[in-house]
Amino acid sequence: EIVLTQSPGTLSLSPGERATLSCRASQSVSSSYLAWYQQKPGQAPRLLIYGGSSRATGIPDRFSGSGSGTDFTLTISRLEPEDFAVYCCQQYGSSPPYSFGQGTKLEIK
Amino acid sequence: EVQLVESGGGLVQPGGSLRLSCAASGFTFTIHSMNWVRRVPGKGLEWISYISSSSSTIYYADSVKGRFTVSRDNAKNSLYLQMNSLRAEDTAVYYCARGGRYGGSYFLDYWGQGMLVTVSS
Repeated sequence: EIVLTQSPGTLSLSPGERATLSCRASQSVSSSYLAWYQQKPGQAPRLLIYGGSSRATGIPDRFSGSGSGTDFTLTISRLEPEDFAVYCCQQYGSSPPYSFGQGTKLEIK
Repeated sequence: EVQLVESGGGLVQPGGSLRLSCAASGFTFTIHSMNWVRRVPGKGLEWISYISSSSSTIYYADSVKGRFTVSRDNAKNSLYLQMNSLRAEDTAVYYCARGGRYGGSYFLDYWGQGMLVTVSS
């Protein structure tokens, strides 16, 4: 079973700043199977990044994904007020269970 | 427009059963795999089940294996989750999510709004 560990647990930043979120896998994951989601309170998760680095439809270009092997990163270049939310990574499509990371809460400083 | 609408949640006693449904519309349901994911209050997302487009392949998380059963009716564009022997730790918001694929990448691209299941006496 692949365990995904996200860091930090909480990230406090101001609008306009750059956010860097980490997702580390317990064993190598093909970037084809690594996705990032955003979730706001009371809403369903929204797909942001798939294939490790490809933006989903309608996702602004301030969101970018990178990484390979066991280390993946989600970067938000300049935070907008609507970006403050919880972000989760997931490995999906290779070997089940299709685990999620525990999430990083991005909060306004 | 892709829509996934869950129903069937609510309050159930420990040891009881519940059946969740997910009605799909706005896309060709028969060609997509589907998943169930839950969010336990105060915790992260937990993937719990996968079913392929033809129901030929099914996976479960260890936490629900033997207690939950996923199924689908392609004629009715519907996904189901039969939950038996429910425990307090199954209390969560349950989401159905569509499996997407682009090139060699796989992901969950559309999600329902979620359905609260509370297991309590």
